[in-house]
Amino acid sequence: DADVTQTPRNRITKTGKRIMLECSQTKGHDRMYWYRQDPGLGLRLIYYSFDVKDINKGEISDGYSVSRQAQAKFSLSLESAIPNQTALYFCATSDVDSAASTDTQYFGPGTRLTVL
Amino acid sequence: AQSVTQLGSHVSVSEGALVLLRCNYSSSVPPYLFWYVQYPNQGLQLLLKYTSAATLVKGINGFEAEFKKSETSFHLTKPSAHMSDAAEYFCAVSRMDSSYKLIFGSGTRLLVRP
Repeated sequence: DADVTQTPRNRITKTGKRIMLECSQTKGHDRMYWYRQDPGLGLRLIYYSFDVKDINKGEISDGYSVSRQAQAKFSLSLESAIPNQTALYFCATSDVDSAASTDTQYFGPGTRLTVL
Repeated sequence: AQSVTQLGSHVSVSEGALVLLRCNYSSSVPPYLFWYVQYPNQGLQLLLKYTSAATLVKGINGFEAEFKKSETSFHLTKPSAHMSDAAEYFCAVSRMDSSYKLIFGSGTRLLVRP
């Protein structure tokens, strides 16, 4: 979805390096999410944010941190990258569908990260 | 706790054949259910979602899914497969509360044979 962009799209780094993945959205949504995808495991939630001042840990937040710089920007950092953080990372945004009392998440194209 | 099980990591069908991708969920509260599709080198795109209205949900690209509470299932079907349907499909569940967090299944890769 072109409304959700991620940079970089691919990154190769070395163990111990600090890495930042960035996500921007033009959908005007308040909610933003970071997931990682590993083969055979589906997507797992790392962090989520319901607004600029509301950041929450997901199921696998250890080794990661996030920053919500603005409504439209949500960054994921790996303070000291390790090889088992090699994965495909997705950012998503959502807004509440008041008619259905739920929201729909819209995903960016992903960042493929390799940690050597 | 909620969980999703997708039976079959790979499903292969011939072009024109029925597509059936299976999803079973576990939830202690009424769930919302979703199917997403991921084409190669792309993000996930919503196919359809169940939000407690009609149990038969129609989505994009001719896909539909039926919510069956008694079977805790939300299987995805399409009457006639196209080559362009080849992709990975993810079933997901969320709670009918304020968290709106999605729990994803492990995915099923659909292969379409000419």
